[in-house]
Amino acid sequence: RKEVEQDPGPFNVPEGATVAFNCTYSNSASQSFFWYRQDCRKEPKLLMSVYSSGNEDGRFTAQLNRASQYISLLIRDSKLSDSATYLCVVKGYSTLTFGKGTMLLVSP
Amino acid sequence: EAGVAQSPRYKIIEKRQSVAFWCNPISGHATLYWYQQILGQGPKLLIQFQNNGVVDDSQLPKDRFSAERLKGVDSTLKIQPAKLEDSAVYLCASRALAVTDTQYFGPGTRLTVL
Repeated sequence: RKEVEQDPGPFNVPEGATVAFNCTYSNSASQSFFWYRQDCRKEPKLLMSVYSSGNEDGRFTAQLNRASQYISLLIRDSKLSDSATYLCVVKGYSTLTFGKGTMLLVSP
Repeated sequence: EAGVAQSPRYKIIEKRQSVAFWCNPISGHATLYWYQQILGQGPKLLIQFQNNGVVDDSQLPKDRFSAERLKGVDSTLKIQPAKLEDSAVYLCASRALAVTDTQYFGPGTRLTVL
């Protein structure tokens, strides 16, 4: 089992759609969880951290289920500018392990 | 605040040649990381430095890859000799001292090995 597994993409959605990304991780000792965004030919940038209580940042909602070792990201009211690859990231003590990423393409 | 700087941005070499990449982290960041990102994959950690000491190099192919951070600031990553499968983007990231701090990535060096 891979350390961090994500939905294979790409996801093609129209503007205004709601889209959900799923991620599972294998190391139950993982301490922190994140979603990063990576635009084409750019570096990854932190989108948001993920907490067990769930957290929301505008149109973005992240959830963590430690028992199931599952992480999700929900994007509501998709914008063209949301088109990017979304990377699920799991942190041990100080190192990050990245999933392969799921590409999102939002079309007019 | 200036971000993580990397150079060169692009490099094309032939297999068996050597190449070196340079990274200048955000000022004051004690921790520095080198990642390899192959097309279609997420970044994979190669090596982590804390100041000028190596914390984790378990995934660094030490027969051909080397890295140093002599004065605890800038770092270089070298590949000698390069193989076709080394074609990737090499990303440098840095973090302030606390493990809860965010990692910030540089723009990367895109390496093509022919």
